Amino acid sequence: GESVGLHLPTLSVQEGDNSIINCAYSNSASDYFIWYKQESGKGPQFIIDIRSNMDKRQGQRVTVLLNKTVKHLSLQIAATQPGDSAVYFCAENRKPSDTGRRALTFGSGTRLQVQP
Amino acid sequence: DAGVIQSPRHEVTEMGQEVTLRCKPISGHNSLFWYRQTMMRGLELLIYFNNNVPIDDSGMPEDRFSAKMPNASFSTLKIQPSEPRDSAVYFCASSLGGQLAKNIQYFGAGTRLSVL
Repeated sequence: GESVGLHLPTLSVQEGDNSIINCAYSNSASDYFIWYKQESGKGPQFIIDIRSNMDKRQGQRVTVLLNKTVKHLSLQIAATQPGDSAVYFCAENRKPSDTGRRALTFGSGTRLQVQP
Repeated sequence: DAGVIQSPRHEVTEMGQEVTLRCKPISGHNSLFWYRQTMMRGLELLIYFNNNVPIDDSGMPEDRFSAKMPNASFSTLKIQPSEPRDSAVYFCASSLGGQLAKNIQYFGAGTRLSVL
């Protein structure tokens, strides 16, 4: 079946550098995407979202890029800080007409380690 | 708002015992989700409710698992009888839901279940 695919690699960056976390999805019916951050011992926390009619969205220090042609999503974190160390998940949501299911499908996550 | 509240935070039980996990969603949210997170399988959706009605329970592992939402401010996930392979972190999330909503899910801190 189609799913968000993100194996759990580890990205290690130096404090102050920019980080780029990637996510591939395979469901062309998905129209909405979310990035979550999960710190150790906590639940996933919303970071930023993007609809399929956009290709870029910026937040505070974070930018999400969406390339629908190759079904690719990325999260860019500027000036990475130690507090950014966590596991990052991308999640997709299918169009409302698809079986009525409104739940998100999560990828397996990427661990970001920020070296001081 | 206090966010999604889950209890207990930790639960240790013996195989065969009944386990009940509790969740209070964010006030005003009309969709509620139960997830299970393990190292092997990542974040899995078990069941979700919309307006207190179960919409999709296809992720519930087996008949030992059941979930209820008697009102808009409370839900339970019950495992009876529990088995060691049920050991995981169980998350509850809530969202505004709706066809045109952005469907951002807000997660609780989770319940870490250990079945001995």
